[in-house]
Amino acid sequence: EPEVTQTPSHQVTQMGQEVILRCVPISNHLYFYWYRQILGQKVEFLVSFYNNEISEKSEIFDDQFSVERPDGSNFTLKIRSTKLEDSAMYFCASKRGRTSHQETQYFGPGTRLLVL
Amino acid sequence: GQQVMQIPQYQHVQEGEDFTTYCNSSTTLSNIQWYKQRPGGHPVFLIQLVKSGEVKKQKRLTFQFGEAKKNSSLHITATQTTDVGTYFCAGLGGTSYGKLTFGQGTILTVHP
Repeated sequence: EPEVTQTPSHQVTQMGQEVILRCVPISNHLYFYWYRQILGQKVEFLVSFYNNEISEKSEIFDDQFSVERPDGSNFTLKIRSTKLEDSAMYFCASKRGRTSHQETQYFGPGTRLLVL
Repeated sequence: GQQVMQIPQYQHVQEGEDFTTYCNSSTTLSNIQWYKQRPGGHPVFLIQLVKSGEVKKQKRLTFQFGEAKKNSSLHITATQTTDVGTYFCAGLGGTSYGKLTFGQGTILTVHP
């Protein structure tokens, strides 16, 4: 069964450094998402991406964040200058379309980011 | 903005007891999705409810969507130790590109 993959599984970085989190969505999916989950808390929406542009973003997704789909398979989240509060599990998700049977979002295994 | 509240936060049951978690949205939803997350894992899709008053069953799990499409519940009959994990509801609004708004989750522990 196709699945969303993410790399790396863990990332440790110093405050102020840039990090890039990578995702390979399911191949025939058209909508892509990043969510994050701070330890012990709920999953929070960051951004959605469709047709090579951001379609919606949350207030968490400030100027330090950016997303890119540099080729036909990868979907990346860049944090330009990490802060301690960026430490969280970051999940990538994708879905096929917008009709009701295509709405299921499939989540990747996540990247655990620790900012020191 | 849209808010999704979920209760209870924790539920401890003995194996064989039933379990229910409830979800309420501040706005009408186009659909609601339920996910299960095992400790250290990622959210795994369980089911999607779309129609007002819809009820769906998956073996021992029963999912309901309220008539007003603002609340939902997940009921597990005769829990097993394999049911442990956090159960999240996630609401999909009608005007977004699929942004899911998650509830806080209910952490279920099952004592053998």
